[in-house]
Amino acid sequence: AQSVSQHNHHVILSEAASLELGCNYSYGGTVNLFWYVQYPGQHLQLLLKYFSGDPLVKGIKGFEAEFIKSKFSFNLRKPSVQWSDTAEYFCAVISTGRRALTFGSGTRLQVQP
Amino acid sequence: EPEVTQTPSHQVTQMGQEVILRCVPISNHLYFYWYRQILGQKVEFLVSFYNNEISEKSEIFDDQFSVERPDGSNFTLKIRSTKLEDSAMYFCASQGLAGNTDTQYFGPGTRLTVL
Repeated sequence: AQSVSQHNHHVILSEAASLELGCNYSYGGTVNLFWYVQYPGQHLQLLLKYFSGDPLVKGIKGFEAEFIKSKFSFNLRKPSVQWSDTAEYFCAVISTGRRALTFGSGTRLQVQP
Repeated sequence: EPEVTQTPSHQVTQMGQEVILRCVPISNHLYFYWYRQILGQKVEFLVSFYNNEISEKSEIFDDQFSVERPDGSNFTLKIRSTKLEDSAMYFCASQGLAGNTDTQYFGPGTRLTVL
């Protein structure tokens, strides 16, 4: 069975700091990878996704993620965070032939002004 | 931008009672999902639905759960006899016809509290 691990449960950064959130998945076959964000009081929204091609994926609001197949990783990055990036971030995986998202436990990001 | 909506936002019920959670997916979407998140735990897949039948379900989705698209716009999750451990946030999602790389759009969730 596939699983997703997010190592950072709670991250606190100052504005303008760089961000990297870790995500590792466990699955032997082909996967599609996603990062979702949930802003306070709002629903889950897609930040970015990877399914093939360039392993460096750019998403909304200046976020990007890099798929490293050999490390089973899909880390999320942003060079300079803003207070408005305060949210919970979820990494998720879909394996080939399925439609169910398998989520990680989420990382709560708090950006201090 | 079209959104997935869910009602109610919060449902409180007594153990053993039936509850129906409602979702209105994005209008031209054809795949529908229910997920849940127990407080402090991961978001978990429950069931996917396409062409008026369940296409995939998890081991959580046992006989006490059912889904229905009663009128072509709503998508419902019924829990027949609620248990304390059913207390969770329930999210509905919908997806267009494209492959499994297409984005699943989530609703705001219904918080179910079973007393």
